[in-house]
Amino acid sequence: DAKTTQPTSMDCAEGRAANLPCNHSTISGNEYVYWYRQIHSQGPQYIIHGLKNNETNEMASLIITEDRKSSTLILPHATLRDTAVYYCIVRDAGGYQKVTFGTGTKLQVIP
Amino acid sequence: DTEVTQTPKHLVMGMTNKKSLKCEQHMGHRAMYWYKQKAKKPPELMFVYSYEKLSINESVPSRFSPECPNSSLLNLHLHALQPEDSALYLCASSQVPSGTVTNTGELFFGEGSRLTVL
Repeated sequence: DAKTTQPTSMDCAEGRAANLPCNHSTISGNEYVYWYRQIHSQGPQYIIHGLKNNETNEMASLIITEDRKSSTLILPHATLRDTAVYYCIVRDAGGYQKVTFGTGTKLQVIP
Repeated sequence: DTEVTQTPKHLVMGMTNKKSLKCEQHMGHRAMYWYKQKAKKPPELMFVYSYEKLSINESVPSRFSPECPNSSLLNLHLHALQPEDSALYLCASSQVPSGTVTNTGELFFGEGSRLTVL
């Protein structure tokens, strides 16, 4: 699986959009971008994934650049409950199950 | 039912004890995972089972012994652990990825079992 690079930490004001970047410059054509988050002392939670098109669900939006070398997770209206560590992972969807977590971004939502 | 249930939530054991962690899911997933997470670190993959067979072992010491007795259950047997094995142990499950848009094998995690080895 390709490696990802994320900022160590970010702050976001409550009610504002949180934009979390991820670099994955070595991503290959059959690798998807996944985002998970882990709220303190809980198991990681799947948020969203995409291949090359932008994706949106009830939790977030995922913007993938045209060259696929980076992506941004957008939480449109951050709440205090969104304070968590956010992990960006790239993974060969057909191949496999070796899902490796990087160091992630600690997002602190501030009142 | 979209839950992965792990028991016990907390476990304290001595270095000579034998104990087991259990994980259960009823989502029909045929891939199950064990991860270990130390404080302030990301989860580290330990084992992967696919169709009840061990498919990945990330060079985990033999004092950790996984078992997948059926498609819904995953166990982690613990024996002669060291204090540095104290950690949060996370279980996850997924569909076995098929590479299609609708099945790309996203993981569903349990809440973890917090293990303390004295």
